[in-house]
Amino acid sequence: AQTVTQSQPEMSVQEAETVTLSCTYDTSESDYYLFWYKQPPSRQMILVIRQEAYKQQNATENRFSVNFQKAAKSFSLKISDSQLGDAAMYFCAHGGGSQGNLIFGKGTKLSVKP
Amino acid sequence: DSGVTQTPKHLITATGQRVTLRCSPRSGDLSVYWYQQSLDQGLQFLIHYYNGEERAKGNILERFSAQQFPDLHSELNLSSLELGDSALYFCASSVGTRLYNEQFFGPGTRLTVL
Repeated sequence: AQTVTQSQPEMSVQEAETVTLSCTYDTSESDYYLFWYKQPPSRQMILVIRQEAYKQQNATENRFSVNFQKAAKSFSLKISDSQLGDAAMYFCAHGGGSQGNLIFGKGTKLSVKP
Repeated sequence: DSGVTQTPKHLITATGQRVTLRCSPRSGDLSVYWYQQSLDQGLQFLIHYYNGEERAKGNILERFSAQQFPDLHSELNLSSLELGDSALYFCASSVGTRLYNEQFFGPGTRLTVL
């Protein structure tokens, strides 16, 4: 069975600093995707970044980047130049196989201090 | 705004009752996924429909059912409600069924069972 583990229930970062959120996963799929979703207090789920497993290059989206270690089944999210608006729950998710549904971790609550 | 709409936004009902949650996917999207977000279980996949047909089931209780109509909107029916069914229910839509098709989440329906 596919599982996603986020070992940090809460994290805190100073505004303008960098923070890394951890995620590990387990899968038997050879073709899969990994995602980071942001859920602000509004509860809307917003896709932050995604990584295709067969691509070795780490994905980046502006201030957001990932460190994808396929052999270690690790997929961490780095947020650079943290902003107050980055405060939210962050969910790591795995998707693979033919079903197309996502398996989510429990989430990490990120606080940004001014 | 993801383009996915869900109604109602909030729903308060009593144990033993039945409710229907509605989801309209983005224009052109054929897939609808339902997810449940609760404090104890986190974000869990319930069911996936593609172009009117059920494609995959996750942790969906027998008291729950869903369907996707010819106009592609979907409804999630929850019956014999229990206190533990209180949760945020999301639907997400995508163009197809594969993971490279990004899933766009609606704003969710907050269900409270008293």
